[in-house]
Amino acid sequence: AQSVTQPDIHITVSEGASLELRCNYSYGATPYLFWYVQSPGQGLQLLLKYFSGDTLVQGIKGFEAEFKRSQSSFNLRKPSVHWSDAAEYFCAVGAQTNAGKSTFGDGTTLTVKP
Amino acid sequence: DTAVSQTPKYLVTQMGNDKSIKCEQNLGHDTMYWYKQDSKKFLKIMFSYNNKELIINETVPNRFSPKSPDKAHLNLHINSLELGDSAVYFCASSQAGAGIYNEQFFGPGTRLTVL
Repeated sequence: AQSVTQPDIHITVSEGASLELRCNYSYGATPYLFWYVQSPGQGLQLLLKYFSGDTLVQGIKGFEAEFKRSQSSFNLRKPSVHWSDAAEYFCAVGAQTNAGKSTFGDGTTLTVKP
Repeated sequence: DTAVSQTPKYLVTQMGNDKSIKCEQNLGHDTMYWYKQDSKKFLKIMFSYNNKELIINETVPNRFSPKSPDKAHLNLHINSLELGDSAVYFCASSQAGAGIYNEQFFGPGTRLTVL
């Protein structure tokens, strides 16, 4: 069975500081991995995805993530955080089947200090 | 153009009532989902339909019944509403299939409050 762990429930960073959100997954084969962002009162929006190829993937809003198979991790990074990045971030692993089921982590709440 | 839309956005109702939430996607996707997000923001899948067929049915009370009249629509009907049903319900869609990564597109959510 696939599973996702986001070890940090809540992270606070200062505006302009760098950010790393952790994600560890469990999956028997090569996973499809995603990061989604949920702004207050909104639905989830895809930030970036990985399914093969270059292990460093670029996403929208200046985010990137690195797939490390040896560590079963897919951490999200941003070099300089903006106040508008304050949101809930979800890591997800997708199944390579017709069911198309994704398993989501419990989320990390990002607070940005001025 | 809204890719995945849900109605209503807010739903306030009394315990014991029956209510429905509607979802439509104009992305031409084959697969649609319902998720429940509780007050702690945990996101749990409830159902998934592929081409109008139910393919995922997580442990959800029988009071919840999804209906897919066509592959662009997936509605959620809830009978005998309980306080614990209060949550935000998200609809999503994806182009799932063997060898296709299933990036999901989410609707804006329906905030259900049961009094």
